[in-house]
This record gives sequence, C-alpha cells and structure tokens, in this order.
Amino acid sequence: EAQVTQNPRYLITVTGKKLTVTCSQNMNHEYMSWYRQDPGLGLRQIYYSMNVEVTDKGDVPEGYKVSRKEKRNFPLILESPSPNQTSLYFCASSLRRVVGGDTQYFGPGTRLTVL
Amino acid sequence: AQKVTQAQTEISVVEKEDVTLDCVYETRDTTYYLFWYKQPPSGELVFLIRRNSFDEQNEISGRYSWNFQKSTSSFNFTITASQVVDSAVYFCALSDSNDYKLSFGAGTTVTVRA
Repeated sequence: EAQVTQNPRYLITVTGKKLTVTCSQNMNHEYMSWYRQDPGLGLRQIYYSMNVEVTDKGDVPEGYKVSRKEKRNFPLILESPSPNQTSLYFCASSLRRVVGGDTQYFGPGTRLTVL
Repeated sequence: AQKVTQAQTEISVVEKEDVTLDCVYETRDTTYYLFWYKQPPSGELVFLIRRNSFDEQNEISGRYSWNFQKSTSSFNFTITASQVVDSAVYFCALSDSNDYKLSFGAGTTVTVRA
C-alpha cells in the first residue's frame, strides 16, 4: 500500500531532551516536507527536501533540523525541544516538486507535547 | 507572497442540510494550484481535490462540489445533504510556481448534528 508513515504517533517529552520524529514513504517520491499544525494557523511548512541531500527551510524552521540521506526517509530532529514546539506534525511527500502542482500526500501525524 | 483565507472558523449544521465553505486566495502568479483537504477527528489529512488556475470548470464528486471563480479569487466547497461523517476540519491550500510548499488556510471546522 502506498503510504507515508510517521513514528511515533504520540510523544510527550521534557524541555531540552533531543528527539527525532521519523518519516518514510514507499512511493519513490522526490519531494518531502514537514509541516506543523497549530489552532487558528492551519499548517505551516518547517523544512522541505527536493531530493537526497537537498533540503531547505520553510516558513518556521527555527528549532528544527532535517536530513535526507535516503530518498524514502526524511526525519525531523528537535535538538532541544521547547514548549512552543508542542504541536501536531505532518510529514508529506509528492512525486515531483509541489511547484508542478503535484498532490502532496500526508502521513498520519505526530502529536508532540513538550513539558 | 501567497495567502489563503478561510473566514469561517466553525460551521454547525443539521444532517441533510447543505454547507458551503469559503476559500479566498491571493497570489501574483498566473499559474497556480488550489487544493482542499479534509481532516476528520482521527487527525489524518485526506486529499479531496486539486484544480489548476487554467481550469475554471466547476466540479462535482458525489455530494461534494467545488466552485472556482478567478474573478473573485475564490475556490468554494459545498457539501450537499450533509452527513455526520462529514464532520471534520476542512483546509483550503494553494501552491504556485514560485514556492515549494502548500500555503494553507486556517481551516473551517464543520460539525454535522444528527
């Protein structure tokens, strides 16, 4: 089944404790992206990647890191989480760049709480 | 910069009523794409439709229909004869040729009461 998977789905952590949220897609998509969803703000892009070893900042990159060492994986790293990073996080992928109007397919979401 | 506005924060209807969700967008590009996604209470994002800026034909898919009007920069979504399973948050989104992301509206929460 074609899908985007994220792990973990739920995570409660404490300020400053490094964490990684994994994202994997099995559709051979070029493009992958991370968004965060906050009430009243919709989804905002954190980082994106157009190919292996090619990543760039989105609208809200502060406090996050990403890497794209393999085409299928795009982990999101929070080196020192803070309470303002409490949010619902979505990974997405598309066949080509969104610029071409490709539909983005989203993972199931990771609900992160930072105490 | 592009922008998507969903002015309706919440809509509550009784089952079988029609409900229309408004979406107004801003972009300087002549080539752009509009999307609607549904987020049910379970939290996942479900793709509903994609339209490009050159195709202004309205579209109908079952009880769902979309009205795209470039003259008013709007891409409205109507659910006909709503059902309880339509209860969800609905997002309108935009991408154009100058960006590598979807720009989302704030979302409209639809509650359908039995």
